[in-house]
Amino acid sequence: EAQVTQNPRYLITVTGKKLTVTCSQNMNHEYMSWYRQDPGLGLRQIYYSMNVEVTDKGDVPEGYKVSRKEKRNFPLILESPSPNQTSLYFCASSLSIMSSIYGYTFGSGTRLTVV
Amino acid sequence: QKEVEQDPGPLSVPEGAIVSLNCTYSNSAFQYFMWYRQYSRKGPELLMYTYSSGNKEDGRFTAQVDKSSKYISLFIRDSQPSDSATYLCAMSGTGNQFYFGTGTSLTVIP
Repeated sequence: EAQVTQNPRYLITVTGKKLTVTCSQNMNHEYMSWYRQDPGLGLRQIYYSMNVEVTDKGDVPEGYKVSRKEKRNFPLILESPSPNQTSLYFCASSLSIMSSIYGYTFGSGTRLTVV
Repeated sequence: QKEVEQDPGPLSVPEGAIVSLNCTYSNSAFQYFMWYRQYSRKGPELLMYTYSSGNKEDGRFTAQVDKSSKYISLFIRDSQPSDSATYLCAMSGTGNQFYFGTGTSLTVIP
């Protein structure tokens, strides 16, 4: 089944403890992106990657890191999480950056709580 | 001012009703418009996309874009309980960055 898989689905952590949210897609997509979804603010892009070893900042990159060493994986790293990073996170992919206009495939989300 | 404005609702309608969901935007460079549906505890899934102005129909769903008014709509005919979800509009100018609305929560009552 074609899908974007995120892990974990739920995570509670403490301030300052480094964490990684994994994202993997099995569709050979070039373009991958991370979003956070907050009430009243909608989906906001954190980082995106147009291909292996090519990443760029979205609208809200502060406090996050990403890497794209392989085409299928695009992990989101929080080096020192803070409570304002408590959110619902989505990984998304599309065949290419231009085909994103025909829609992303989203993962099921990771609900992160930082206490 | 936000790039995209969407009434959060919630919207509650009886089964069989026609539903109208709307977004307004400020950036006249937007030319790609999408509607996503998001069920509870799930990621958004693409429902429809349109390019530039005009209408597009897919079964019970019709997407409408009015670029002169910077206004897009999604109509759902003969609404079903399975349509109960949050609907997100999204748009882009060049295709490399997308702006999402905050979503409208819809409940269709049997």
